[in-house]
Amino acid sequence: AQKVTQAQTEISVVEKEDVTLDCVYETRDTTYYLFWYKQPPSGELVFLIRRNSFDEQNEISGRYSWNFQKSTSSFNFTITASQVVDSAVYFCVLGGNNQGGKLIFGQGTELSVKP
Amino acid sequence: DADVTQTPRNRITKTGKRIMLECSQTKGHDRMYWYRQDPGLGLRLIYYSFDVKDINKGEISDGYSVSRQAQAKFSLSLESAIPNQTALYFCATSDSGGTVAFFGQGTRLTVV
Repeated sequence: AQKVTQAQTEISVVEKEDVTLDCVYETRDTTYYLFWYKQPPSGELVFLIRRNSFDEQNEISGRYSWNFQKSTSSFNFTITASQVVDSAVYFCVLGGNNQGGKLIFGQGTELSVKP
Repeated sequence: DADVTQTPRNRITKTGKRIMLECSQTKGHDRMYWYRQDPGLGLRLIYYSFDVKDINKGEISDGYSVSRQAQAKFSLSLESAIPNQTALYFCATSDSGGTVAFFGQGTRLTVV
């Protein structure tokens, strides 16, 4: 079965701290995609990154970085020097063609960055 | 214009009323989805459609129905709304490989 687990329900940090959001996924497919979305208090879903199962190259984009490891089925997301504006719910999502094209969401991690 | 547009953005309705949420997209994608979000539960799939003639139930389809009027339009109906259908609803589209996904702004529905 396909499943995404975000074990951290809520995280609270103080501004400028680094924070890592964990994501573990389960799939029998060999080709799949992983996404991170951000949902700020306003409610919309903001796309952050996509990785396919053949690309384990980790990426840094400004204060954001992602660590994709197929060996442990993990796709973790790190914010460096967090800011109050980073406060949001973050979703890890599993997608691709083989699970019927459905997007499987984790439960989300609510990040609160305090000044 | 947004790639995926949902109407209405907010709606308050009474128990027992029929209500329709509409979604239109300009991405040219064949695949469209309706999700429901409740606090602490992430997004759960209600219905999805891979083309105009292909409609499938998701994990929580009871109490809902859908209509795919055209490639670009996918509507969600609550035939007789009940209070536990109060939630944030999202429409989404994806390409045929499920490699990208675009979401609407969400519809906040309250059933009183």
